[in-house]
Order: sequence, then C-alpha cells, then structure tokens
Amino acid sequence: DGGITQSPKYLFRKEGQNVTLSCEQNLNHDAMYWYRQDPGQGLRLIYYSQIVNDFQKGDIAEGYSVSREKKESFPLTVTSAQKNPTAFYLCASSLAGEGAGELFFGEGSRLTVL
Amino acid sequence: GESVGLHLPTLSVQEGDNSIINCAYSNSASDYFIWYKQESGKGPQFIIDIRSNMDKRQGQRVTVLLNKTVKHLSLQIAATQPGDSAVYFCAEYAGGTSYGKLTFGQGTILTVHP
Repeated sequence: DGGITQSPKYLFRKEGQNVTLSCEQNLNHDAMYWYRQDPGQGLRLIYYSQIVNDFQKGDIAEGYSVSREKKESFPLTVTSAQKNPTAFYLCASSLAGEGAGELFFGEGSRLTVL
Repeated sequence: GESVGLHLPTLSVQEGDNSIINCAYSNSASDYFIWYKQESGKGPQFIIDIRSNMDKRQGQRVTVLLNKTVKHLSLQIAATQPGDSAVYFCAEYAGGTSYGKLTFGQGTILTVHP
C-alpha cells in the first residue's frame, strides 16, 4: 500500500547527541515536510522540500537539519543545538502543483531526551 | 474554537449527537482549508477540504462551512460516534510562495461518550 513510513516510532536520546529520524514515502509526491508537535499544541513546520536536492526552512528550523537526496526520502536530524528536542515529530508529503494543499502524514516519531 | 496557549478547547458530546467544531483562521488571503483528525499517538488524517470559492462542502457524515467575511471555519459531524473521539485541527493554505505549506490551528479535543 502507498503511504509514508517514519522510523523509529520511539527514540530516546541523551543530551548532546544528534539523532536522525527517517521518513520514506512511496506516493510519488514531490513535496515533503517535517512538523513538530508539542503537547496541547498544533503542528509547527520545521523544514520542507518541494523537489529533490532543495529544501527550505520552516518556522522553527533552528537546531535541525535535513537532506533530500532522493524523492522518496527526507530524513531529519535533531542536533545537539536544539534546546528542547523532546516532542512528537511528524513527516508529511504532498503533490506539487495545484493539489499541493493536502498533506499525507506518517504515524510520527516520539523523541525523548533523557 | 481555536485558542492561543497550552490548553486546547474541548467538546464533549453524547453518542448520536451532532458535533460542531469551530476554527478562526488568520490570513484573509488563504484560499484552501483542510480539517484533519488526529487520534492519540498517530499522525493526522485528512477529513475534508474546502476552497475559498465555496461556502459549504459535504462529505460522509461531515460538513465544512466557510465564512470568509469573519474568517471562520466549522466542521460539523453528524451522529457522532465514539470512534470520532480525537483532536481536530483546521489548517489554512495561502498558496503563492507558501505553496503546499499549511498553517495549522492548535486543535480541539472531541470526546464522545457512549
């Protein structure tokens, strides 16, 4: 079945460590996104990519990095520079062009910093 | 409706009742709106969308109403069921340079009692 796969579902990290969250889609979507969700809050955009080898900062990019070497993959690295990394991270994808609005989400990755 | 801060609006209904969830959006240039449902520990799922040239759209058991004059969006769920219990987010999309980039509200918690 087509969809978006995020891994790992749960991740624990010690302070000062970098960690990479995986996101893979087989929907043939050009655009991919990373959102952060904190308890009781909506989704905030970290980074997005509309095409391979190109990406833009979202509203809260500091302390995060991404790459887009393949259409199917958009990994997110949470670096040690991110001061409050404990959160639920959601990856999404969408078509480019007129139908770009609807985002298809993965099941999320919950990161806890110990 | 949506609120600023860490406490999400909540709506409690009895099974079989109709539910109305409200959302005030911020950008008068927004031309596409989506409602998402998010169950605990999962990614958001698309429910229904509406474009700014419409004021009403119906799906299966759901209706979205758009009032551009007051920048208000509502989601009506008919014959609410326990499986409808979730957090509901509205999202707005302004197109143009924010192509494919949605801005999410903070969400409303819907609890359906059997």
